Amino acid sequence: SQTIHQWPATLVQPVGSPLSLECTVEGTSNPNLYWYRQAAGRGLQLLFYSVGIGQISSEVPQNLSASRPQDRQFILSSKKLLLSDSGFYLCAWSNGVNNEKLFFGSGTQLSVL
Amino acid sequence: QQQVKQSPQSLIVQKGGIPIINCAYENTAFDYFPWYQQFPGKGPALLIAIRPDVSEKKEGRFTISFNKSAKQFSLHIMDSQPGDSATYFCAAANYGGSQGNLIFGKGTKLSVKP
Repeated sequence: SQTIHQWPATLVQPVGSPLSLECTVEGTSNPNLYWYRQAAGRGLQLLFYSVGIGQISSEVPQNLSASRPQDRQFILSSKKLLLSDSGFYLCAWSNGVNNEKLFFGSGTQLSVL
Repeated sequence: QQQVKQSPQSLIVQKGGIPIINCAYENTAFDYFPWYQQFPGKGPALLIAIRPDVSEKKEGRFTISFNKSAKQFSLHIMDSQPGDSATYFCAAANYGGSQGNLIFGKGTKLSVKP
């Protein structure tokens, strides 16, 4: 069966510090991978998606970047965090053939202070 | 630009009540409308979904009603239970295109009182 791992679960970082959140998927190959951010009252905002290794599409301009160094690994990064980067970050995957169903990880609560 | 508008923002019902959550969309090219359920501290999980060729879909106590002409769809939870307390997100996508990504509503926090 397929599983998605996302870590860490919580993270408190000072403004200006770097960020690296990692997500891995097991039990499937060539998945589509996604990073979402969930802010209070703003729903789920798609940040990045990837259909393959090294292929990253950005949905919104921002202080963050994403990379996909391996087929089932997706990384969200920042060189210098801003206060506005605080939020609940969710990684998700979907079957590359049938994109309809998204499977979400358990999320990372990021607080930038 | 918000393409999927969800209401209400929060909802409180008594056990056994029928909470109704509504969503409206703008893009007539959308062809897939799912609902996701999220418990605190967890990622959302797919609950039920509908395509525009049917007006209603039922799975257990959960029903989606779809009105294509009004560009609206809603989630009904029959005989609601305290365990249904969660945040519910509607979404829409155009999967007829080459790469459709889900557009989510802002969510509805449901509390079912015992």
